[in-house]
Amino acid sequence: AQSVTQLDSQVPVFEEAPVELRCNYSSSVSVYLFWYVQYPNQGLQLLLKYLSGSTLVKGINGFEAEFNKSQTSFHLRKPSVHISDTAEYFCAVSEGPNYGGATNKLIFGTGTLLAVQP
Amino acid sequence: DTGVSQNPRHKITKRGQNVTFRCDPISEHNRLYWYRQTLGQGPEFLTYFQNEAQLEKSRLLSDRFSAERPKGSFSTLEIQRTEQGDSAMYLCASSLVYSGEQYFGPGTRLTVT
Repeated sequence: AQSVTQLDSQVPVFEEAPVELRCNYSSSVSVYLFWYVQYPNQGLQLLLKYLSGSTLVKGINGFEAEFNKSQTSFHLRKPSVHISDTAEYFCAVSEGPNYGGATNKLIFGTGTLLAVQP
Repeated sequence: DTGVSQNPRHKITKRGQNVTFRCDPISEHNRLYWYRQTLGQGPEFLTYFQNEAQLEKSRLLSDRFSAERPKGSFSTLEIQRTEQGDSAMYLCASSLVYSGEQYFGPGTRLTVT
């Protein structure tokens, strides 16, 4: 079974400042890792994913994340945030790689509200 | 490709009534997932289909819940005898079997009064 921990429920930051949203996971098998963003009353939009290969993955809107297997972490970073980045961010894990028998159901953390202030 | 769509977007119902939600996945995606999200929480897995077969159901899916995916296309999620605890956002996602990544619809927000 997998689990995800997002320790920070809310991260306030000033516009144009850098930000890091933390995510730690636990799993007994190899995993896929994801970051999703959710704006109020909307569904989830995929920001970026780690499936295999390079541990530094780049996503949309200038976000990037680094997979650290030894620390079981997948922290999300952005060098300079904008007001429009204010949203809820969810880290998620699923079993991988997919041999056809895995469900790939996503296990989500409880989310981190990124609040960008002017 | 118009993405995953869900209908209705909002549903208000009285306790004890039945409700049905619909999800239309991305057309070539053979996997379809349902999740439930309550306020302040991350989405929780309910069930998933590969083509028309329902392959796994979460323990969260009580016997009042039923999901179908006839012909492996759209899916419906029905809740019978709704309870106030069913109030949540119901999210649908679809994917290809070997891709590992899921694309979400806008969700259906259910309010049970």
